[in-house]
Amino acid sequence: AQSVAQPEDQVNVAEGNPLTVKCTYSVSGNPYLFWYVQYPNRGLQFLLKYITGDNLVKGSYGFEAEFNKSQTSFHLKKPSALVSDSALYFCAVRDYSTNAGKSTFGDGTTLTVKP
Amino acid sequence: GAGVSQSPRYKVAKRGQDVALRCDPISGHVSLFWYQQALGQGPEFLTYFQNEAQLDKSGLPSDRFFAERPEGSVSTLKIQRTQQEDSAVYLCASTMGGLASDTQYFGPGTRLTVL
Repeated sequence: AQSVAQPEDQVNVAEGNPLTVKCTYSVSGNPYLFWYVQYPNRGLQFLLKYITGDNLVKGSYGFEAEFNKSQTSFHLKKPSALVSDSALYFCAVRDYSTNAGKSTFGDGTTLTVKP
Repeated sequence: GAGVSQSPRYKVAKRGQDVALRCDPISGHVSLFWYQQALGQGPEFLTYFQNEAQLDKSGLPSDRFFAERPEGSVSTLKIQRTQQEDSAVYLCASTMGGLASDTQYFGPGTRLTVL
């Protein structure tokens, strides 16, 4: 079984400040980890993924995430937040041993960046 | 096409009616996924196709839910005798290949409201 936890329903930051959106996961095998962003009445847009290799992954719009195997975490970060980053963010995990690619998502974190 | 498309975008059904939701994946994408997203929650896996083969339908909540992809491109999710608890956004995603590491590209979703 695989699961994802996003412990914060809401994250508020001021524009220009760094932001972190937290994600922890559980899988029986090795994880593939993904971050998506969702704007109102839109589908999920892919931001970045960790497959293998460097633990620090860089993605779209200046976002990055760090894979930490010992803490089973994959937190999303950005050095300087923009008001336009305000949206709903989802972390997802897939088990490496599952070729089917079924993803399990967290319940999402609403990010609000205030000017 | 440029992205995953879904139709209709909004569907209102009376309890007991049958509905059919359509997904057009990105051209040439091998794999197709259906997810159900209830209000305030992350997407929940329903089913998965690789070409025309339905490889995993473990997430379908009841035998009222049926999905098909007869020619390996367009897919239809059918819900028979709709119930109020079926109200949700139904998301479709596609991937280029059949690997767990492949990125899923999501459509805008169909919002189903059952009265």
